[in-house]
Amino acid sequence: EAQVTQNPRYLITVTGKKLTVTCSQNMNHEYMSWYRQDPGLGLRQIYYSMNVEVTDKGDVPEGYKVSRKEKRNFPLILESPSPNQTSLYFCASRSRPGQGAGELFFGEGSRLTVL
Amino acid sequence: GEDVEQSLFLSVREGDSSVINCTYTDSSSTYLYWYKQEPGAGLQLLTYIFSNMDMKQDQRLTVLLNKKDKHLSLRIADTQTGDSAIYFCAVWMDSSYKLIFGSGTRLLVRP
Repeated sequence: EAQVTQNPRYLITVTGKKLTVTCSQNMNHEYMSWYRQDPGLGLRQIYYSMNVEVTDKGDVPEGYKVSRKEKRNFPLILESPSPNQTSLYFCASRSRPGQGAGELFFGEGSRLTVL
Repeated sequence: GEDVEQSLFLSVREGDSSVINCTYTDSSSTYLYWYKQEPGAGLQLLTYIFSNMDMKQDQRLTVLLNKKDKHLSLRIADTQTGDSAIYFCAVWMDSSYKLIFGSGTRLLVRP
């Protein structure tokens, strides 16, 4: 079954305590991306990756880092979380843009609260 | 930049058809998607359409694309109470490798 798996699903942390949200996909997709969803602001892209070791900033990258060491994994790193990063985070994947089918799948979401 | 707009709310009676509409501004969009989000849940891909298609049908779902008017619609036949959710229209941007989402349409299905 095609899946994008995120962990943790729920997390409450404190300001400044580094955390990582993991994302893994089993579809051999080249493209992966992170979005955050906030009331009144909708879904906004944080970072994306076109392939291993190829990452680029989205619309709201400040305060986040990513890495793509393996094709299946695309972790989101918050080095020093702040309360304005309290949000619902989604990881997504699809085949390389311009190639293959166009399905773009999302994970179940990770709800992060920073106190 | 690209803008995607949807009406905020739709209420239908169980068994009726639902039609959710979406308009977008960038005519170069290649893929257009519909996602469903239930309370506390993730984004479920319902269906998508490639920009060179006018229509796509998948069981109870029918997607219509009018490229000239930049209008996308999702029709749900025989709407059930389990269809109550928020429905997002999203447009893929080849120029920036991201999805642009509408604000979502909340569908309420009355028994």
